Amino acid sequence: GMPVEQNPPALSLYEGADSGLRCNFSTTMKSVQWFQQNHRGRLITLFYLAQGTKENGRLKSTFNSKERYSTLHIKDAQLEDSGTYFCAAEGTNTGKLTFGDGTVLTVKP
Amino acid sequence: EAAVTQSPRNKVAVTGGKVTLSCNQTNNHNNMYWYRQDTGHGLRLIHYSYGAGSTEKGDIPDGYKASRPSQENFSLILELATPSQTSVYFCASGDAQSSYEQYFGPGTRLTVL
Repeated sequence: GMPVEQNPPALSLYEGADSGLRCNFSTTMKSVQWFQQNHRGRLITLFYLAQGTKENGRLKSTFNSKERYSTLHIKDAQLEDSGTYFCAAEGTNTGKLTFGDGTVLTVKP
Repeated sequence: EAAVTQSPRNKVAVTGGKVTLSCNQTNNHNNMYWYRQDTGHGLRLIHYSYGAGSTEKGDIPDGYKASRPSQENFSLILELATPSQTSVYFCASGDAQSSYEQYFGPGTRLTVL
């Protein structure tokens, strides 16, 4: 299968709702990065994790290398959260990232 | 602030022409990377470099060359551009000092007619 599987492919939320995105890895990964790609195509780094959990405002991400997954939770979704979210994982110390195909998030008023 | 910049930001080329995309980083990172992103998909690695003078093939290197003349600069070269190379290209830098977290440039939109 794909080295990085990202789910769901698309997600629609109303403002104020909470939800989560997930990436599953076919092999053990050493780290994961989460990005938001905005409407201008710019990649905005949300999190870098080598293990454990990080929080930043309404966002929270977890990386479990042993269980081969990572999650991104969005709390109290806002209109500006709309965009495409990517996870990318690094499997070796070359720093080479393998990206998932993204989750298109639409937040509705 | 450390940054990764790319030029040009937009490029229209003709089939068979030569295209050079440039990337500059002020992060002082050893590693630099070139990715392409096609509509509806994540980024895919084309070439990368461990430092000045080094280039390595990524996952989809066919049709592309790379050049790393200095720590700061990394170029992607399309010797004979084809319409299938129409895409958005991203450059990134990172290395052990950043724990391999990668920092991305703004992207270059290339259209090959």
